[in-house]
Amino acid sequence: IAGITQAPTSQILAAGRRMTLRCTQDMRHNAMYWYRQDLGLGLRLIHYSNTAGTTGKGEVPDGYSVSRANTDDFPLTLASAVPSQTSVYFCASSVGSSSYNEQFFGPGTRLTVL
Amino acid sequence: RKEVEQDPGPFNVPEGATVAFNCTYSNSASQSFFWYRQDCRKEPKLLMSVYSSGNEDGRFTAQLNRASQYISLLIRDSKLSDSATYLCVVNMGSGNTGKLIFGQGTTLQVKP
Repeated sequence: IAGITQAPTSQILAAGRRMTLRCTQDMRHNAMYWYRQDLGLGLRLIHYSNTAGTTGKGEVPDGYSVSRANTDDFPLTLASAVPSQTSVYFCASSVGSSSYNEQFFGPGTRLTVL
Repeated sequence: RKEVEQDPGPFNVPEGATVAFNCTYSNSASQSFFWYRQDCRKEPKLLMSVYSSGNEDGRFTAQLNRASQYISLLIRDSKLSDSATYLCVVNMGSGNTGKLIFGQGTTLQVKP
């Protein structure tokens, strides 16, 4: 693994189903983030984690949950998917939680909720 | 007012042209400023940080105007490979705190 990986690459999901998007980084970064990107709205922060064992809410957290059991993994779960959660989801990481730190992004997951 | 605002474009320019993008931000206490580049259907990647004194990286120059709360990106001698969306990014806390807010991006198309 080099950098950040995300899985799946894309997914079509029926409304009401539960879905977990996976994110793994091998850079030993402390901070990790989940964003969604929608046309005309740019990237919006869903949840973040400044270090393993801690998480926080971003701008649009409703309908999503995260966990950070270790440094490398930061899964995002949609408990009961709704069509408005159709989006491209990007995971990112940075060395630390300071806003001076560059964020490195994974390749994204394209999710369609029908 | 949006926290970070950009003209979405698209900007269509010929190869070799100079093009400039501006971005305005709402938080006067922000201290972290970046330009990210995003190619079509790809992840964003850092293009350059923006420092108070302005900074240059090859054909790219970034400027910060704190009084007017805007950031600019100048691209000289545009190449076809510069075609992408450029995201203005600013932190929303004071100092180096707070999460980063991404603008919706400005799309550049460089034509032969």
